[in-house]
Amino acid sequence: NAGVTQTPKFQVLKTGQSMTLQCAQDMNHEYMSWYRQDPGMGLRLIHYSVGAGITDQGEVPNGYNVSRSTTEDFPLRLLSAAPSQTSVYFCASSYDLFSNQPQHFGDGTRLSIL
Amino acid sequence: GQQVMQIPQYQHVQEGEDFTTYCNSSTTLSNIQWYKQRPGGHPVFLIQLVKSGEVKKQKRLTFQFGEAKKNSSLHITATQTTDVGTYFCAGRNAGGTSYGKLTFGQGTILTVHP
Repeated sequence: NAGVTQTPKFQVLKTGQSMTLQCAQDMNHEYMSWYRQDPGMGLRLIHYSVGAGITDQGEVPNGYNVSRSTTEDFPLRLLSAAPSQTSVYFCASSYDLFSNQPQHFGDGTRLSIL
Repeated sequence: GQQVMQIPQYQHVQEGEDFTTYCNSSTTLSNIQWYKQRPGGHPVFLIQLVKSGEVKKQKRLTFQFGEAKKNSSLHITATQTTDVGTYFCAGRNAGGTSYGKLTFGQGTILTVHP
């Protein structure tokens, strides 16, 4: 099992560019989520999904879009990158939202917006 | 919405000293999870506490869940250089509109000097 796979690991963008951060899991988990990690801010939830076809906003959703067409994949899209989106992005998955199972994190994507 | 506050933000210790990080929630939790993130790595699940007043131990690590299920602590006895990293608590909301959602604390960055 690969667990949670994120690509790319590093990315530099110019302001206004768009890109998609990929996340895939092979554990058949229903619940997937995206976090951003900034110094002193902990892990802040951007968007989450409780299953294919279902997504919802987290704590800091502005500037980001998500979709969940399959159980395995949960891409995060930046439509028009801004310097404030410079961060480390983590994708996580767990069995479901209410089963009290741990979150499994990917290795992260380190994103810089110039 | 639910807030989870974690203190201290930073802790520097000499190898062999003890370390404690505290987590406080603004709302009652159904459970709390603890994660460790090594420098440059991703958060890794350590343990979950569910019952009021629960205490669990993992070798030199002791985890406690408060009687009111609104606070928790992680205590490391006789720190080692391998304990270096950021420790996060994550509380799962027990009710209301945020039922089931996991909220991370800001994390405590532990540095251990040999």
